[in-house]
Amino acid sequence: DAGITQSPRHKVTETGTPVTLRCHQTENHRYMYWYRQDPGHGLRLIHYSYGVKDTDKGEVSDGYSVSRSKTEDFLLTLESATSSQTSVYFCAISAQLDGASEQYFGPGTRLTVT
Amino acid sequence: KNEVEQSPQNLTAQEGEFITINCSYSVGISALHWLQQHPGGGIVSLFMLSSGKKKHGRLIATINIQEKHSSLHITASHPRDSAVYICAVRTTGNQFYFGTGTSLTVIP
Repeated sequence: DAGITQSPRHKVTETGTPVTLRCHQTENHRYMYWYRQDPGHGLRLIHYSYGVKDTDKGEVSDGYSVSRSKTEDFLLTLESATSSQTSVYFCAISAQLDGASEQYFGPGTRLTVT
Repeated sequence: KNEVEQSPQNLTAQEGEFITINCSYSVGISALHWLQQHPGGGIVSLFMLSSGKKKHGRLIATINIQEKHSSLHITASHPRDSAVYICAVRTTGNQFYFGTGTSLTVIP
């Protein structure tokens, strides 16, 4: 599992409240990703990071921000949660394996915005 | 527009049947991944391919780079194979695009 943990695993919050999800890895991988998974859609990239303080937007970044102040932690923040952000959020890392990148996923965080 | 398309979306099979799941993609890739997601949500990587064919136990994955197509085969399917199978591609920019998944149910 490449030592990836996510916290919290489940969260229910109200519309308009800020929410921060944490992804933690123990193996110093450079690339980290945040995805959301919704019925009828594949995993969709929210933001990714290619190093400390180096982040970039993905396909569905509106309403989300990220921070990476340490190699091991990648935080996803919903500044003002909306019901459309109810989803399952997966963190992933990209690790070099046999000269190519393999992705490993965290266990997921189920977020419900009421 | 989806960069990765999978078929079928849903598949039900009897135990012991040979199963094929297909994946087509429209972008230039460095590698293609097959992932498995069980009820409860955890996602694990089954294969990473850049050419040819790979085999792990009863699972076989093939890729045709020219045709931009990959297949995942399961031989002698078993109820424990019931899961969602996801095709993903990695671009040269190290970004990943995912199919919507194929939900497989294997009936005893």
